[in-house]
Amino acid sequence: GAVVSQHPSWVICKSGTSVKIECRSLDFQATTMFWYRQFPKQSLMLMATSNEGSKATYEQGVEKDKFLINHASLTLSTLTVTSAHPEDSSFYICSARDQRGTYEQYFGPGTRLTVT
Amino acid sequence: SQQGEEDPQALSIQEGENATMNCSYKTSINNLQWYRQNSGRGLVHLILIRSNEREKHSGRLRVTLDTSKKSSSLLITASRAADTASYFCATASPQGGSEKLVFGKGTKLTVNP
Repeated sequence: GAVVSQHPSWVICKSGTSVKIECRSLDFQATTMFWYRQFPKQSLMLMATSNEGSKATYEQGVEKDKFLINHASLTLSTLTVTSAHPEDSSFYICSARDQRGTYEQYFGPGTRLTVT
Repeated sequence: SQQGEEDPQALSIQEGENATMNCSYKTSINNLQWYRQNSGRGLVHLILIRSNEREKHSGRLRVTLDTSKKSSSLLITASRAADTASYFCATASPQGGSEKLVFGKGTKLTVNP
């Protein structure tokens, strides 16, 4: 149980285009999902907290107009990188918290974004 | 800001040896968690230790927590080549809400066969 999927697993796009990444909880409902970014050989940095049915909460320094987050259902959150630039190339990982109230977050397999 | 700091940054050992990784943090916490990440993959949750616990075991894993020193250690006993991965500690602190995790920089463990 407690499986989180991400789609796509990798994507290459051109500068200036937008890319949407999906995060799904497959066998549980998640009122809260989290989006992280990880640069090569570095740790995960929390970008934003996504709450079902409400606006996402962004961490300091993260541009909300560039990284659009939509959490439209209890099993799906999307991250859209708008007008992508090469510096947006990174590994994006989502996690979902089971609404039954445990502390544990279940992580997706990640999406590798490369902007050319 | 980065909460957890792991050391060492990299650790190379032989199969069968024990591996110890340490994590220090700065603020009070609700719990501390350890994760494993294989290269280019997602995270796997290993173990969670609450702030009122001092030690926890899970299989070959042993985690300790010293809240007075704001530190934790992860011990992997009888290591295997398949344990090769990066290991991260993450803290859940009251300031950020009990759900928000702040990750350390990680320890890259290599277990040589």
